[in-house]
Amino acid sequence: AQTVTQSQPEMSVQEAETVTLSCTYDTSESDYYLFWYKQPPSRQMILVIRQEAYKQQNATENRFSVNFQKAAKSFSLKISDSQLGDAAMYFCAYRKFEGGGADGLTFGKGTHLIIQP
Amino acid sequence: NAGVTQTPKFRILKIGQSMTLQCAQDMNHNYMYWYRQDPGMGLKLIYYSVGAGITDKGEVPNGYNVSRSTTEDFPLRLELAAPSQTSVYFCASSQAGETQFFGPGTRLTVL
Repeated sequence: AQTVTQSQPEMSVQEAETVTLSCTYDTSESDYYLFWYKQPPSRQMILVIRQEAYKQQNATENRFSVNFQKAAKSFSLKISDSQLGDAAMYFCAYRKFEGGGADGLTFGKGTHLIIQP
Repeated sequence: NAGVTQTPKFRILKIGQSMTLQCAQDMNHNYMYWYRQDPGMGLKLIYYSVGAGITDKGEVPNGYNVSRSTTEDFPLRLELAAPSQTSVYFCASSQAGETQFFGPGTRLTVL
């Protein structure tokens, strides 16, 4: 079974600075997807970024980027120019390629990100 | 498009009571999912469905049942509620191979 580990229960960063959230995973699959989801106090799960394992290029979405190291099974999220609205729980998630995601996502326990004004 | 909708938003149950959590999506997605999120934890998959009439168990199915009679609806049934089922429940949907969209969640407390 796949596992996803987020070793940082909580991180704090000053507004406008850069922060990196860590995620490692364990799988025997060669093709898969990785995701970062944001969960603000409203509880809504919001997709931040998605990475296909077969792509060597790291995904980027505006201020959010990832460092995907397939051999090390590492998938960190970098948030640049942190804003107060970035404060939330961040979850790393894994999905098998096979089956088109029918059997769902495997989530880590999350990292609580605090933005200091 | 309303996306994925869930009702109710909050509910308190007594031990042994039953209830159904409703989930609907208007995106014509084939795949639908139910997750639960316990305090301080990530989401865990309860059940999933790849189309009307087809359902399967996820990681934590005990104490729950599902049905999928239409593409749009995927209700989750709790029989004989227990305190261990106190959680936030999320419904999600997707097309095959695509990103999952989540509903706003239902906070359930069993006392």
